[in-house]
Amino acid sequence: GAGVSQSPSNKVTEKGKDVELRCDPISGHTALYWYRQRLGQGLEFLIYFQGNSAPDKSGLPSDRFSAERTGESVSTLTIQRTQQEDSAVYLCASSHDRDQPQHFGDGTRLSIL
Amino acid sequence: QQQVKQSPQSLIVQKGGISIINCAYENTAFDYFPWYQQFPGKGPALLIAIRPDVSEKKEGRFTISFNKSAKQFSLHIMDSQPGDSATYFCAASKSNYKLTFGKGTLLTVNP
Repeated sequence: GAGVSQSPSNKVTEKGKDVELRCDPISGHTALYWYRQRLGQGLEFLIYFQGNSAPDKSGLPSDRFSAERTGESVSTLTIQRTQQEDSAVYLCASSHDRDQPQHFGDGTRLSIL
Repeated sequence: QQQVKQSPQSLIVQKGGISIINCAYENTAFDYFPWYQQFPGKGPALLIAIRPDVSEKKEGRFTISFNKSAKQFSLHIMDSQPGDSATYFCAASKSNYKLTFGKGTLLTVNP
């Protein structure tokens, strides 16, 4: 079975542009998470979806960041008016349910010039 | 505020040796403590996890030791192999939700 799939794997964009990052969770997983990993750092929680609702958005760093999820499937993380400090690897994880182990994708490496 | 402190930052071990990585947490509400292994360019992969009702959990060469009173837990890799060379992250959460990660330990196992 396929694991968590993220696209693109790499994204280079200019400061001020908007970017969209995509996550395809494992089929049947109701819980979905986005994390950010800055160079040399641990992962920081961004947002949690249960189904298509987001009961916890507490990790989103600013209102330039938003995310949505279609049903219990694809999720997109959107960053508007990107800044250099947004450069990081953005990781998506899914789990069968909230209390089950989280399985990570390989991430999208975002570089802001 | 760093809620999970991980040490050391890097570790070099000879093949066959024991690798030990330590973590300390602050939030007493945490009740789930996983360890993840990450290879370059890949996402973290769950290695082993423990809940505070036990003091030790072993899976193959990997063992978690947990000290609830000290709010510390550690990963022991027995008979370390070059293929174990990776970055290891400890994490903590309440009910395996919203994981809080340590900053990672880069393990190098020399042949």
